[in-house]
Amino acid sequence: KQEVTQIPAALSVPEGENLVLNCSFTDSAIYNLQWFRQDPGKGLTSLLLIQSSQREQTSGRLNASLDKSSGRSTLYIAASQPGDSATYLCAVGTSYGKLTFGQGTILTVHP
Amino acid sequence: DGGITQSPKYLFRKEGQNVTLSCEQNLNHDAMYWYRQDPGQGLRLIYYSQIVNDFQKGDIAEGYSVSREKKESFPLTVTSAQKNPTAFYLCASSIDLGLAGVRTQYFGPGTRLTVL
Repeated sequence: KQEVTQIPAALSVPEGENLVLNCSFTDSAIYNLQWFRQDPGKGLTSLLLIQSSQREQTSGRLNASLDKSSGRSTLYIAASQPGDSATYLCAVGTSYGKLTFGQGTILTVHP
Repeated sequence: DGGITQSPKYLFRKEGQNVTLSCEQNLNHDAMYWYRQDPGQGLRLIYYSQIVNDFQKGDIAEGYSVSREKKESFPLTVTSAQKNPTAFYLCASSIDLGLAGVRTQYFGPGTRLTVL
C-alpha cells in the first residue's frame, strides 16, 4: 500500500528565506506527483504536477523535483513571503487518477 | 464561472441520522472524487467515479454511499453506520489530459460536518 510522508510537519521562517519541503513515498510505481496548497478551512489549490517521466516543474517562485527511484520529491520556495503561509500537501497519483496524500507541512512565514 | 461547488459549507447532524453532502461541477470533467480530512492529517479517499452510473470504493468507504446519475453531480451520503463522521469533506474532479495518468484534480471549498 502506498504511503506518503512529509517532513517537516511544521516550519516557521522569516520573510525572504528560501525553503525546502520534503515528501517521500514507498511505492515508486506512480503516474505523477502533485503539490497542493491549502489555506485554513478551505479547499486545495494545485501548485505543480510532475509526470512520472519528468524530473522537475517550475512555476514562478516554486520548483518541484521528483526522484522516482528514491521515492522522493521536494518543493522549493524561493524568497518566501507572508502570503505563502499555508499547509502544503504532497500527493502521488496512481491508476484511475487516484491520489494518496501526505499529512502536509504547515508553513508560517513571518514578516 | 467554471468550478466546483459544495453545499452546505457547515453541516450539523445528530447521531443516528443520515446526511447528504452536495458536490456539483461545471468543468465538464469525467472523474469525480470524495475525500475526508481530519485535523492535522492529509486527505483520505472515500469514493471515486470515472463515468456516469459507475463508482468505486476508496480507502475508507465504510459508512458512506454515493451516486453518479449526472456527469456534473456526485453527492455523498454519510450514513448512521459511519462511527466517527465529524470531519472536513472535500470533493474534487479531474479530466484526463491525454497522457497516461496525467490528471490534475480541482477541489471544491469543502463541507465541515459536525455530529452533535
